[in-house]
Amino acid sequence: GAGVSQSPSNKVTEKGKDVELRCDPISGHTALYWYRQSLGQGLEFLIYFQGNSAPDKSGLPSDRFSAERTGGSVSTLTIQRTQQEDSAVYLCASSSPRSGGGGYNEQFFGPGTRLTVL
Amino acid sequence: DAKTTQPTSMDCAEGRAANLPCNHSTISGNEYVYWYRQIHSQGPQYIIHGLKNNETNEMASLIITEDRKSSTLILPHATLRDTAVYYCIVRGNNDMRFGAGTRLTVKP
Repeated sequence: GAGVSQSPSNKVTEKGKDVELRCDPISGHTALYWYRQSLGQGLEFLIYFQGNSAPDKSGLPSDRFSAERTGGSVSTLTIQRTQQEDSAVYLCASSSPRSGGGGYNEQFFGPGTRLTVL
Repeated sequence: DAKTTQPTSMDCAEGRAANLPCNHSTISGNEYVYWYRQIHSQGPQYIIHGLKNNETNEMASLIITEDRKSSTLILPHATLRDTAVYYCIVRGNNDMRFGAGTRLTVKP
């Protein structure tokens, strides 16, 4: 079936502009995550949505970053007044509800959006 | 705070077992050990996870020490396509904190 999709795959913007990144999770997955990955670095957690619960925003680096998830499905990550240090690959992942087995359900990652801020 | 320590890089000969270590000395009782890998320019891919017992699936085996302070991911017969960055993650809730991982290079 269809996996997690993200758009655009690449985004080049000028410093100071706002950008919106989109994530379409796997159908039926209630959990959605955003990460970013700077060149040569590991993944940095940004935000987590679970169903109708309040999102965990503890990883957002500044108030220029925000995310929403409409209808429990598609999510949009918005970066306002972009800075050069925002340049990174932004990854989205989704997972199904916890089944009751051991641990937490695996996250399925999208291909990412490569953001370049000039 | 990733809560895990991994070697920066490792090499392995094609066809041999790749053993990737991970230290997680501060792991608590309800936290699981997860392994993901990331092949160049792709999103991370789930490999395996465990709590305290050793686990095996079609991709790999996970050996967790009795005190749970360290673990080893074993790829029994590494292929060139296993070249990737491997992340060991301690997970106690729904978010995951990735460290820098181990860059495994499988050589012919």
